[in-house]
Amino acid sequence: AAGVIQSPRHLIKEKRETATLKCYPIPRHDTVYWYQQGPGQDPQFLISFYEKMQSDKGSIPDRFSAQQFSDYHSELNMSSLELGDSALYFCASSSSGGYGYTFGSGTRLTVV
Amino acid sequence: AQKVTQAQTEISVVEKEDVTLDCVYETRDTTYYLFWYKQPPSGELVFLIRRNSFDEQNEISGRYSWNFQKSTSSFNFTITASQVVDSAVYFCALSEARIYNQGGKLIFGQGTELSVKP
Repeated sequence: AAGVIQSPRHLIKEKRETATLKCYPIPRHDTVYWYQQGPGQDPQFLISFYEKMQSDKGSIPDRFSAQQFSDYHSELNMSSLELGDSALYFCASSSSGGYGYTFGSGTRLTVV
Repeated sequence: AQKVTQAQTEISVVEKEDVTLDCVYETRDTTYYLFWYKQPPSGELVFLIRRNSFDEQNEISGRYSWNFQKSTSSFNFTITASQVVDSAVYFCALSEARIYNQGGKLIFGQGTELSVKP
C-alpha cells in the first residue's frame, strides 16, 4: 500500500540558509500535518492543511511557512535557519472517514 | 486544554518480562481518539493502535495489549514476554475528533524509552 513519502530523508544546512521539505500524502487523504521532533523530545504539531487550505496552526515559527498544492503534496519552507531548528520533521496524512494517521519516515534536518 | 502524560521516562527490563507503559490524558472533549506509536532508533513513527473514546474494550494483538479506562483517563499499554526488538521509545497521543476540516492534530506524551536487555 502507498505510504506518506517525505523528501529528502536527510538534509544538512548552514545557519541562515533556507530549507524546503516535501511531503506526498497517501492518495485520497484530504489532510496533511507537519510535526517537528527535537532531540529527545516528543513530536510537536506545526501546521495542517485540509483540502489545500490551512486548517490549524501550532507552534510554528514565523520563519517557517507551508502550503499544500493542487496535487495535494505539501511543502514546508524554513528560512533563516537556526541551530535549534535541527530536528526530525514528520509529515502525516489522514482522511475524513479514514482510520487515522499515517506518518512519513521523516526528514532529519541538521543545521550547522 | 488537551494534555498527555507519560510519567515513566525510562524503563529497563530483562527479556521475557512483562512491562506496562502508563498513559494519562486530559481533555474536555467527549469524543476523542487515543493512539500509541513506537519509535525505534531508526526514527520512524510506527502506528500501534487507535482507540476512540466510546470504545472502552480492551484490545490484545499478539504480545501487545491495551487497557483503556475512561474513569481514570488512562490508556495503558502492556507488552507481554518482552523481546530485545521491543526496545524503542513509545508515545501515547491524543487527538480531538475531526469535524470536517477542524481538529485532528495529535498531542503527544513525553514518551517512554523502553530498553529490553537480553
